[in-house]
Amino acid sequence: EAGVVQSPRYKIIEKKQPVAFWCNPISGHNTLYWYRQNLGQGPELLIRYENEEAVDDSQLPKDRFSAERLKGVDSTLKIQPAELGDSAVYLCASSPAAGGGTGELFFGEGSRLTVL
Amino acid sequence: GESVGLHLPTLSVQEGDNSIINCAYSNSASDYFIWYKQESGKGPQFIIDIRSNMDKRQGQRVTVLLNKTVKHLSLQIAATQPGDSAVYFCAENETAAGNKLTFGGGTRVLVKP
Repeated sequence: EAGVVQSPRYKIIEKKQPVAFWCNPISGHNTLYWYRQNLGQGPELLIRYENEEAVDDSQLPKDRFSAERLKGVDSTLKIQPAELGDSAVYLCASSPAAGGGTGELFFGEGSRLTVL
Repeated sequence: GESVGLHLPTLSVQEGDNSIINCAYSNSASDYFIWYKQESGKGPQFIIDIRSNMDKRQGQRVTVLLNKTVKHLSLQIAATQPGDSAVYFCAENETAAGNKLTFGGGTRVLVKP
């Protein structure tokens, strides 16, 4: 069974440029997450989807970040314009259960963003 | 591969010895706790979880202990192997609020041959 697939794996851009990340979750997983992981720290939740609905986006900096999950499968995370502080690894994860589960999330390998 | 952390607490352990990684959590309402392993350049990988109504759970070479009184979680790895070298994160989940994992800061484990 294929795991969570993310692309691109690496992206280097100059500040003020836009960037987008794509995620394909595990088939059948209704819940999709975007996390940001800064160097030396644990992942921090940006947004959580139940199917196509964003149920928790309280940590998403909405002035420059946006996300969508059309049709409740694939998802994209966009940053426009990027700032130096956005340099991090952006992790996508999925899980089969919406609450009431164990909390086991299946993570992709991440998209590492470097903003120059 | 990339490093997932340059300033993490580090546990150096001799191959074959046991490792103990500790974690403090903050939310008294959390009812599931999970340990993840993250190798360089990869996403976190589930190791083991424990419900809040338990104080110990064992897996293959790993044991998780939960002390709710002091909000403390530990992961014990028996007979540590070179493949155990990674960064380990604990995470807490308040399932009533949805599957929203909150991760701790991580510990790097280095296994010496």
